Amino acid sequence: QVHLQQWGAGLLKPSETLSLSCAVYGGSFNDYWWSWVRQSPGKGLEWIGEIHHSGKTHYSPSLKSRVTISVDTSKSQFSLRLSSVTVADTAVYYCTREEDARSGWFGVVDSWGQGTLVTVSS
Amino acid sequence: DIVMTQSPDSLAVSLGERAAINCKSSQSVFHGPDNKNFVAWYQQKPGQPPKLLMYLASTRESGVPDRFSGSGFGTDFTLTISSLQVEDVAVYYCQQYYGTPYTFGQGTKLEIK
Repeated sequence: QVHLQQWGAGLLKPSETLSLSCAVYGGSFNDYWWSWVRQSPGKGLEWIGEIHHSGKTHYSPSLKSRVTISVDTSKSQFSLRLSSVTVADTAVYYCTREEDARSGWFGVVDSWGQGTLVTVSS
Repeated sequence: DIVMTQSPDSLAVSLGERAAINCKSSQSVFHGPDNKNFVAWYQQKPGQPPKLLMYLASTRESGVPDRFSGSGFGTDFTLTISSLQVEDVAVYYCQQYYGTPYTFGQGTKLEIK
């Protein structure tokens, strides 16, 4: 049974950098893609991007210029950095696991972290 | 990006009655060589992260009651609850995972009438 535990700063000022990390407990870290999804009242669920243990990444085009997702396989952890935040980045951020066993394709999210509310306010 | 549009935005159904939520994608999410539709459905209750209900449009996740069913092909999909129970009150989201960026519908809030 996998467990995702996330942490990071919850209150930021505009122009600052959001930084969140997620530790994975249980399961094989190398068999999945690991991603970040955010949820704001105005935009619902939004996929931010994903990373593989190899370091390969895919990002949402709308956020690509500001997003970096990194991985530390030695600790089974991955992290999100979002630069130059604005009020529009206020949301609950989830770290998630994407798997392919069910479909033969990755993208189905079968595990979620507990969520971190990030508020951007001056 | 593939846009996923759900209807209705909210739905009130009597206990024991049928509920149906629709999801339309802006382009086909059917992969011919695999003969699969890459659509998933999630259920979210207040204060919790979403929970996977369905994948490949119509395959129930392990442990999901059989009153939940999924259908559809190409661009049009439906999540149906055959007999609404109190514990089914939640917001439901569809998602396409045909290609990145993976995208979600805006959500449908299901309530008891």
